[in-house]
Amino acid sequence: GDSVTQMEGPVTLSEEAFLTINCTYTATGYPSLFWYVQYPGEGLQLLLKATKADDKGSNKGFEATYRKETTSFHLEKGSVQVSDSAVYFCALRPYDRGSTLGRLYFGRGTQLTVWP
Amino acid sequence: DSGVTQTPKHLITATGQRVTLRCSPRSGDLSVYWYQQSLDQGLQFLIHYYNGEERAKGNILERFSAQQFPDLHSELNLSSLELGDSALYFCASSAGTSGGEAETQYFGPGTRLLVL
Repeated sequence: GDSVTQMEGPVTLSEEAFLTINCTYTATGYPSLFWYVQYPGEGLQLLLKATKADDKGSNKGFEATYRKETTSFHLEKGSVQVSDSAVYFCALRPYDRGSTLGRLYFGRGTQLTVWP
Repeated sequence: DSGVTQTPKHLITATGQRVTLRCSPRSGDLSVYWYQQSLDQGLQFLIHYYNGEERAKGNILERFSAQQFPDLHSELNLSSLELGDSALYFCASSAGTSGGEAETQYFGPGTRLLVL
């Protein structure tokens, strides 16, 4: 079945360090891939998305590239800030013959803490 | 602000009781999804409604039910509550129509349920 695996946390970095959070998936066809971020006490916010192979999603300095050959969608940021401290979730929406409907499958989340 | 509203924000109740969680989707969105977030299970899909009709069920217990009303708001009913039902319950909405952005799910702030 469809599933998402993301690296276990927590991840602790100093400000301006490089961030990578690994995400791999299992799915048939071409699912849509997402990164969501959850700040303390809040709901999930869409960070970025990619809907086909080799697409790169980007937002707020974060990037992720849809790699079909490695079934991966790793999240990267060149220089993290204290304000990036949050929980990051990788998710996929299974391909369904062009339909835009469908549930999300989430990874377990990765807690990121950035120290000044 | 995602545009998705959920009430109440917090709910404390006792085992065996029944509660109703309410969700108002973003203006114009036809799809409503319910998810449960708990420490042991992570983010789990419960149920999906599209324009008033149930479209898919996930790991939803028989004690739980939901509906989407003509004005597109949705309610999740949880009955015979158990300690293990304590969790954060999220509602998400999407346009559910054609177009690249139609599949993006926007999450509400969640309802935190504590069963004592």
